[in-house]
Amino acid sequence: KAGVTQTPRYLIKTRGQQVTLSCSPISGHRSVSWYQQTPGQGLQFLFEYFSETQRNKGNFPGRFSGRQFSNSRSEMNVSTLELGDSALYLCASSLEQGNEQFFGPGTRLTVL
Amino acid sequence: AQSVAQPEDQVNVAEGNPLTVKCTYSVSGNPYLFWYVQYPNRGLQFLLKYITGDNLVKGSYGFEAEFNKSQTSFHLKKPSALVSDSALYFCAVRPDSTASKLTFGTGTRLQVTL
Repeated sequence: KAGVTQTPRYLIKTRGQQVTLSCSPISGHRSVSWYQQTPGQGLQFLFEYFSETQRNKGNFPGRFSGRQFSNSRSEMNVSTLELGDSALYLCASSLEQGNEQFFGPGTRLTVL
Repeated sequence: AQSVAQPEDQVNVAEGNPLTVKCTYSVSGNPYLFWYVQYPNRGLQFLLKYITGDNLVKGSYGFEAEFNKSQTSFHLKKPSALVSDSALYFCAVRPDSTASKLTFGTGTRLQVTL
């Protein structure tokens, strides 16, 4: 069974731009969560989607948004990029809400 | 609110020796505890979890963890370390059975040397 896939793996953007990251969960998994990993703040929860609905949200500004499609694939969007948004963005999927999560390889975003 | 503390930034151990990576947690209610490992330029790999039951949990790659409710700890252990175990280890907690949100510790870098 294929694991969680994330595209693209690497991105370079400039301040003020927006970016969309994509995550395809493990087949059959319906819950997708997003995390941001930075050297300074560590791993922080962004949001969780289940059945196309946002179920839980972390403490991030409204510039960070996401959505989930009917096939459980998810996208997250960051608008008006700031230098501090440079991070590894990890997607995790689970069978249902509350089950153990399996992580993708991440998308490394660099904001110049 | 829940929190996780990993008091050691780095743990050094010689190959063949036992290793322990420490984790303490704070959560209201019964904790759901996890250990993940991260290799360079990779995502997180699930090692093991504690939900309920035996305090000693066995996981992948020979790792195990001991849950201690009175000390609110969930230390990761392995009887005999391998050089290939060198990586970044994260302890995480979830507040209940329905939420997927994980709160992670700051991570502990394990360095295993010959």
